[in-house]
Amino acid sequence: DAKTTQPPSMDCAEGRAANLPCNHSTISGNEYVYWYRQIHSQGPQYIIHGLKNNETNEMASLIITEDRKSSTLILPHATLRDTAVYYCIAGSRGDYKLSFGAGTTVTVRA
Amino acid sequence: DTGVSQNPRHKITKRGQNVTFRCDPISEHNRLYWYRQTLGQGPEFLTYFQNEAQLEKSRLLSDRFSAERPKGSFSTLEIQRTEQGDSAMYLCASSPTGGDYGYTFGSGTRLTVV
Repeated sequence: DAKTTQPPSMDCAEGRAANLPCNHSTISGNEYVYWYRQIHSQGPQYIIHGLKNNETNEMASLIITEDRKSSTLILPHATLRDTAVYYCIAGSRGDYKLSFGAGTTVTVRA
Repeated sequence: DTGVSQNPRHKITKRGQNVTFRCDPISEHNRLYWYRQTLGQGPEFLTYFQNEAQLEKSRLLSDRFSAERPKGSFSTLEIQRTEQGDSAMYLCASSPTGGDYGYTFGSGTRLTVV
C-alpha cells in the first residue's frame, strides 16, 4: 500500500470548514483514498473514500488532485464532536489490511 | 443491527494470566479483522477471517495469540501468558467481501496487564 503523510495536528474553529490535507505521492492507479476518524476511546469510524473523482456524503467531502498525489478531506461545518484523530489511508478495493499511520489530531474549538 | 460488538470493554489482568476477548460482527459481514492499538499510535493489523477461515496473520501475532471464528459468526482472540507489552486496545472490525464501503469497527477492548 502507498504511504500517506498527514500533519500531526490542527485546530479548527467551531462552525468553520476544516480542511485536512493528505499526501500520497506513491499511490498506484487502483488504490483508493480512504478516510477514517477515531474519537477518543472509540474504534475508528469510516468517513469517505474515493479513487479519482471528488466525493461527498453526509459527513464530509473528499477532494482528490488530478495527479492523485494528494487529497483534502473537508468537514464543512466543524462541531465540537468532530474533535478526533483523522486517518488518511491508501488501499486497493476490498483490501483486507488497512495501514493506519499516526493521523492528524483535529481539535475543534468553540 | 447494532454494529460490531466487543466484550469486555476493559480487562485488567496479572502478567502470566490468559485472557479472551469476543467480537460479534455485523451479521451479514463475512470478513472479520482484529487490530491492536497502543497509546498514540494508529491501529495495527493482526489477523483477518473470511467466514470461518483465518486467511492472514501478522508477524505481530506471536505464538501466544490465537484467534478463532467458529461457524463464521463471532470471533475470539485469546492471549496466553500475558506480558506487560500486550497492554493495548484490541479492535475488531467487519466488512462485506470485496466491498469498498470501508470497515465497521467495534469500540474495542482495552487490556491492561499489571
